[in-house]
Amino acid sequence: DGGITQSPKYLFRKEGQNVTLSCEQNLNHDAMYWYRQDPGQGLRLIYYSQIVNDFQKGDIAEGYSVSREKKESFPLTVTSAQKNPTAFYLCASSIRSIRGHDQPQHFGDGTRLSIL
Amino acid sequence: LAKTTQPISMDSYEGQEVNITCSHNNIATNDYITWYQQFPSQGPRFIIQGYKTKVTNEVASLFIPADRKSSTLSLPRVSLSDTAVYYCLVGDRSNDYKLSFGAGTTVTVRA
Repeated sequence: DGGITQSPKYLFRKEGQNVTLSCEQNLNHDAMYWYRQDPGQGLRLIYYSQIVNDFQKGDIAEGYSVSREKKESFPLTVTSAQKNPTAFYLCASSIRSIRGHDQPQHFGDGTRLSIL
Repeated sequence: LAKTTQPISMDSYEGQEVNITCSHNNIATNDYITWYQQFPSQGPRFIIQGYKTKVTNEVASLFIPADRKSSTLSLPRVSLSDTAVYYCLVGDRSNDYKLSFGAGTTVTVRA
């Protein structure tokens, strides 16, 4: 079955450590996204990529970094510069559209990151 | 920026129809309206998308008036498993691929 796989489901980080969240898709989608969700709130866009080797900052990119070396993969690194990293992280993908938002996004089941 | 406003929460009972209205006064000419459903600890799931008039699929209907300044998601005969958060999104051409997921509407279905 085609879909998006995020791993791990739960992740714990010590203060001052960088951690990388994995996101893999086999939907042959060009566009991929990372969102952060805090309890009781909506999703906020961290980074997005429309095509391999290209990505743009979203609304809350500070303290995060990404890479897009392969079409199928869009890993997110939460750096030590992110002062409040505890959150639910969601990865999504979609068909690339000229307008950018008329193609539904397909989401993974998320990674919950906590600070020890 | 295109912005949406929807109720924070709604309660319903099994078998009833639930209608969630979303306001989007600044919708642009080419923007689409998309609704997602999210269960706890899961990623959102696409429900339905429309541009104008009415769209219906196997799970919901979407009603969009001629001025497109609002839209209504209709969930027919809800069950307990429809308890979730529902997000209304409008494409934002000024920000390319950036979409805004607001706080959504928490729908609680009771027996």
